[in-house]
Amino acid sequence: EMQLVESGGLVVHPGGSLRLSCAVSGFTLNDYTMYWVRQAPGKGLEWVSLINWDGDDTYYSDSVKARFTISRDNSKKSLYLEMNSLRTEDTALYYCARGAVPRTWGGYFDLWGPGTLVTVSS
Amino acid sequence: QMTQSPSTLSASVGDRVTITCRASQSITTSLAWYQQKPGKAPHVLIYKASNLEGGVPSRFSGSGSGTEFTLTISSLQPDDSATFYCQQYDTYPWTFGQGTKVEIK
Repeated sequence: EMQLVESGGLVVHPGGSLRLSCAVSGFTLNDYTMYWVRQAPGKGLEWVSLINWDGDDTYYSDSVKARFTISRDNSKKSLYLEMNSLRTEDTALYYCARGAVPRTWGGYFDLWGPGTLVTVSS
Repeated sequence: QMTQSPSTLSASVGDRVTITCRASQSITTSLAWYQQKPGKAPHVLIYKASNLEGGVPSRFSGSGSGTEFTLTISSLQPDDSATFYCQQYDTYPWTFGQGTKVEIK
């Protein structure tokens, strides 16, 4: 069964750092572009970042650029999101998601994890 | 930017329901629709504006191109109570509509 499972969400103070992980199973990670999408409590969905299938290309939303870093380790079947200089507005459920079409980027998301909650609060 | 309407709707079982999504510029047919139930991750219903994802009931359909798109539920079922989002994937940054909450009367 194809599955994504996020971990690493915690309560952290403003200005703090956190690293999220997404464990992949049931498919070959190195064939797919991967994404992070977040959802603030009671709000809609916001795309955060993407990394292409071999890790050569990364993109970020303006709201997290220069603070967050996406990475992947295909040998460990894992995706990561390093989050620095956290703000209260970064409080959200963070989902990892798979791009639907292998070896392309800029697509829709056909597989999602259950999410991991990041709370930024003093 | 993606603008969805309405933001909420209430309809009866068996009703035909339509949700609209408008893009601020042409996105050709690079549009997906997702359904999200409370406490769950979203899952894709429609991709490339009108293609039904595998396993999705045929009462869901999508149409449109350019800047105007619709998601139609031909006969609303109790299990369709959820929030629906459109998403464009034509142009960076990938953006979602603000969501439409569908309630069953």
